[in-house]
Amino acid sequence: GEDVEQSLFLSVREGDSSVINCTYTDSSSTYLYWYKQEPGAGLQLLTYIFSNMDMKQDQRLTVLLNKKDKHLSLRIADTQTGDSAIYFCAEISNTDKLIFGTGTRLQVFP
Amino acid sequence: DAGVIQSPRHEVTEMGQEVTLRCKPISGHDYLFWYRQTMMRGLELLIYFNNNVPIDDSGMPEDRFSAKMPNASFSTLKIQPSEPRDSAVYFCASSKGLRTEAFFGQGTRLTVV
Repeated sequence: GEDVEQSLFLSVREGDSSVINCTYTDSSSTYLYWYKQEPGAGLQLLTYIFSNMDMKQDQRLTVLLNKKDKHLSLRIADTQTGDSAIYFCAEISNTDKLIFGTGTRLQVFP
Repeated sequence: DAGVIQSPRHEVTEMGQEVTLRCKPISGHDYLFWYRQTMMRGLELLIYFNNNVPIDDSGMPEDRFSAKMPNASFSTLKIQPSEPRDSAVYFCASSKGLRTEAFFGQGTRLTVV
């Protein structure tokens, strides 16, 4: 089946690290994505990871992939108030559809 | 390129009325997607096109929903007749390929009263 799950909310203090978790079901996914949605806007691609990688780092962002457990995480170092948004993980399903998770609302407080 | 352009940004309509949402994808993108976002169901893929041809419409909720792509630069999503449960934000996205980055429009917030 096609199912991508995330926790709904995460609240962190400015300057701390944020870790957003995601589990997916389709083991044939070749790419896994993290998208960011700011209030009143569409989704923007933040980063992606190819399924043969365990980790990808891009400035403050670190993506970890555990294929065995079908678990994907996004770590944001030194979280800023501007990082407050909804974060979606997504996978390409075996039917070639881009399936999104439920989204995690990240709130950063001073 | 101005990105994916959707219109209108907001639409309020009465139950039973026809609603048409519009999308202009990024030039050169071969894929166009329509998504619906609600609090209860998150982001759902309704339909997607490849080179103007509908490939998968299994996410279209019912016959009241229809989508067309008459040319590479324009697509519509129509709801006829609309119902209050259709209230949601509808996003259009386009991409060069299925596994490449999808670029989203700003969305149309539809309210059916």
